[in-house]
Amino acid sequence: GENVEQHPSTLSVQEGDSAVIKCTYSDSASNYFPWYKQELGKRPQLIIDIRSNVGEKKDQRIAVTLNKTAKHFSLHITETQPEDSAVYFCAASGLAGGTSYGKLTFGQGTILTVHP
Amino acid sequence: DTAVSQTPKYLVTQMGNDKSIKCEQNLGHDTMYWYKQDSKKFLKIMFSYNNKELIINETVPNRFSPKSPDKAHLNLHINSLELGDSAVYFCASSQGRAWGEQYFGPGTRLTVT
Repeated sequence: GENVEQHPSTLSVQEGDSAVIKCTYSDSASNYFPWYKQELGKRPQLIIDIRSNVGEKKDQRIAVTLNKTAKHFSLHITETQPEDSAVYFCAASGLAGGTSYGKLTFGQGTILTVHP
Repeated sequence: DTAVSQTPKYLVTQMGNDKSIKCEQNLGHDTMYWYKQDSKKFLKIMFSYNNKELIINETVPNRFSPKSPDKAHLNLHINSLELGDSAVYFCASSQGRAWGEQYFGPGTRLTVT
């Protein structure tokens, strides 16, 4: 099955700096890569996603890049703000075994702290 | 206008008891999921249903039994609770086959003493 590795596990930056979180995946058939943000005590919420036919996607201060050959993808946050502090999860969607349905496999999460 | 709701929000119970968590979505989605988030924040899928049919059943002990009475509801019943079952359980829903956004419920924090 799919295996997603995420680094770093914790990331501390000063307000205004950039933050980069990296993920690798194992299943070359995976074709959908979302990023979720989870604030303390809250539910995970999608912040950006990318499909395998696209190499890069940007939404204001957030961007995601995908390298299918190397099987890795990254989240870039520019001009970080204290409200960006949260746990960020990458995920990869491959086929659930024996079915034509997708299954999200999450990375281990990155605790991002933005200091004012 | 809550999209995905779960009850209860907190559940404290003793080992050996049986408990249920309920989930409802009003987004018109056809696929629903249960995830377990452990103390290290690791999110792992447990089950997935599409139009009331079980499509994903990860290696979860058979003490856990999901039930989907209709495509807007997915419940989770847990028998003979163990200490290791303590976690936050999230319900989620999506349209289609997990190639798009999944909307999570607020979570149910289960504590087994």
